[in-house]
Amino acid sequence: SYVLTQPPSVSLAPGKTAGITCGGNNIGGKSVHWYQQKPGQAPVLVIYYDSDRPSGIPERFSGSNSGNTATLTISRVEAGDEADYYCQVWESNNNRPVFGGGTKLTVL
Amino acid sequence: QVQLVQSGAEVKTPGASVKVSCKASGYTFINHYIHWVRQAPGQGLEWMGIINPSDGKISYAEKFQDRVTMTRDTSTSTVYIELRSLRSEDTAVYYCARGVALIYMDVWGKGTTVTVSS
Repeated sequence: SYVLTQPPSVSLAPGKTAGITCGGNNIGGKSVHWYQQKPGQAPVLVIYYDSDRPSGIPERFSGSNSGNTATLTISRVEAGDEADYYCQVWESNNNRPVFGGGTKLTVL
Repeated sequence: QVQLVQSGAEVKTPGASVKVSCKASGYTFINHYIHWVRQAPGQGLEWMGIINPSDGKISYAEKFQDRVTMTRDTSTSTVYIELRSLRSEDTAVYYCARGVALIYMDVWGKGTTVTVSS
């Protein structure tokens, strides 16, 4: 089955740019979706189809996908961005979604 | 606005069954799949299966195939998940989520905590 690999944690100071990666075999050939999950809350979709933002998601959130790595970029990171971030693709061979293991973003 | 409202927390003993509901509102119920995803304490997201509210067709994750049943009631715009033969490892928050073209989830319920303990 298809495996998505994320770094367990990313830490940076407020105002910096965070890049959260999601690795997978030829992931550039798939559509990648990203979810933000704050402690004690349900996940929220922040990026779909690699780089589209749902309404209400700040422009500071962007995404890219090429080769074996997809990236969620959060510009001008704020304390309120502290959360776990999960990438997800649809595995068409098995007709099911696959999630990455999640990355905990800490704003120092 | 689009909402998925889930039933309340449950505490069960090992070997019992649990049934969680997810009531949809704010959109046409039969036009979107519903996924079920669970999250054990301190762990990541685990997909359990998907139901098409339009025709009731279901696909379960292989891991749960022999213990899970998903159903829907179009008269109340509600989907259900039942998990049988519960064990301590089933302690988790269970989420329903609306699917978009199957492949991603744009709206999530707040989650239902299921605790399995003797």
